[in-house]
Amino acid sequence: DAGVIQSPRHEVTEMGQEVTLRCKPISGHDYLFWYRQTMMRGLELLIYFNNNVPIDDSGMPEDRFSAKMPNASFSTLKIQPSEPRDSAVYFCASSRGSIWNGELFFGEGSRLTVL
Amino acid sequence: AQSVTQLDSHVSVSEGTPVLLRCNYSSSYSPSLFWYVQHPNKGLQLLLKYTSAATLVKGINGFEAEFKKSETSFHLTKPSAHMSDAAEYFCVVSDAGRRALTFGSGTRLQVQP
Repeated sequence: DAGVIQSPRHEVTEMGQEVTLRCKPISGHDYLFWYRQTMMRGLELLIYFNNNVPIDDSGMPEDRFSAKMPNASFSTLKIQPSEPRDSAVYFCASSRGSIWNGELFFGEGSRLTVL
Repeated sequence: AQSVTQLDSHVSVSEGTPVLLRCNYSSSYSPSLFWYVQHPNKGLQLLLKYTSAATLVKGINGFEAEFKKSETSFHLTKPSAHMSDAAEYFCVVSDAGRRALTFGSGTRLQVQP
């Protein structure tokens, strides 16, 4: 079975440009999470969806960040405009059933570098 | 509020020797606790989980962890380290009613030949 698929794996862009990260969750999973990982702050939850509906976006750092999940098999995380401090690895994860069972399946991440 | 503290940012062991990665937690409720592993340039993978059943939990690749409520600890152990165990390990806590999982800062395990 295919796991969580993220694209692009690497993105280098210049400050001010728009960045779109994409995620395809595991089929049948009803929860989708976006995390950001940096050396300074570790792993931070940005937003999560249940059945395509955003449940908690309190981790989204600023209005420059937005996330959508138009259907059960696709989600995007957009940064506009991007800034150097947005440089990080962005992970998408999905799970089935209650989120409290802790069994998240992570993609391999999108490494973003903003110059 | 829930939180986890991983007591060591870096642990180095020799191949074939025991591994101990330490984690203390803080939780207002009965927590569920997990260990995840992240190999270089990869996503995180669930290693094992505790959800109020047996206090000694066995995971993949020979790892296990023991939930000790009196010590608020959930340390990860393995009797004999293998080179392939070199990775970053995250202790994670979830509380009923909280919005999602809380990850620790991670412990990088280095295995020397």
